[in-house]
Amino acid sequence: GQQLNQSPQSMFIQEGEDVSMNCTSSSIFNTWLWYKQEPGEGPVLLIALYKAGELTSNGRLTAQFGITRKDSFLNISASIPSDVGIYFCAGHPNAGNNRKLIWGLGTSLAVNP
Amino acid sequence: AAGVIQSPRHLIKEKRETATLKCYPIPRHDTVYWYQQGPGQDPQFLISFYEKMQSDKGSIPDRFSAQQFSDYHSELNMSSLELGDSALYFCASSGFQDLGAGTTPHEQYFGPGTRLTVT
Repeated sequence: GQQLNQSPQSMFIQEGEDVSMNCTSSSIFNTWLWYKQEPGEGPVLLIALYKAGELTSNGRLTAQFGITRKDSFLNISASIPSDVGIYFCAGHPNAGNNRKLIWGLGTSLAVNP
Repeated sequence: AAGVIQSPRHLIKEKRETATLKCYPIPRHDTVYWYQQGPGQDPQFLISFYEKMQSDKGSIPDRFSAQQFSDYHSELNMSSLELGDSALYFCASSGFQDLGAGTTPHEQYFGPGTRLTVT
C-alpha cells in the first residue's frame, strides 16, 4: 500500500542538539500528524497539521505542513534524553471521507546524555 | 483525560489457539482502528469501524475478524494463531470534529497495546 517517505531512518545525537526530520509524499495530503512511540507503548500524538504552510509548536517541538501539501517537517530543539523514541509521520490523503492514515516508517532517535 | 483502554496487556497463546483482544475507545469517539506492529516496523493497519460498521479494511488475515459493539467498544478475534502473529496489537480511536478542542476525525489516539506471543 501507499507509504510516506520518512527520513532520516535513525539519528544519534548529543543532548542539547536540535533535531530535524521530514516526511514526503508523492500525492497531496490534507492532514499531517506526528507521533512519538516509546518501546512497548502505543504511539502518542504530538502535533496535528491541517493547512498548507501551517507551523505549529508543542513545547520544544515544532512541525510544519509543507506549502506543496506533499511534505511535513518536525523539529526538536535542545534535545534531552527523554526525547528518545521512534517518531512517525502519518497523513491523510486528500480524498473522500476515509479516515485511514498513511504512515511513514519512522525515525529512531537516540540521545547521548 | 480518558484514554483508549486495551485488554489484556499481555497474552501468550499456543499455535492454532484463538485469542480475543478488546478495545474501549475514548468516550464519544465513534471510530475504532486496529493495528498490528512487528519489531522495528510501523503500525500496519488491519481494520476500522465507524458507528459500528466496518469502514475500511487493511492487511487483516482471513483468520481474524473484528466488530464494534453498541457501546462502541471493539473486539479483535484471532483464530488458528500462527507464530507470525506474535506482535503488538494497537487499538486507536478517533471522534467527531471538535472546533473548540481543535480536534478532527483524522486524529487517532492509541491505546497502550496488547503484546501477543504465540508459542
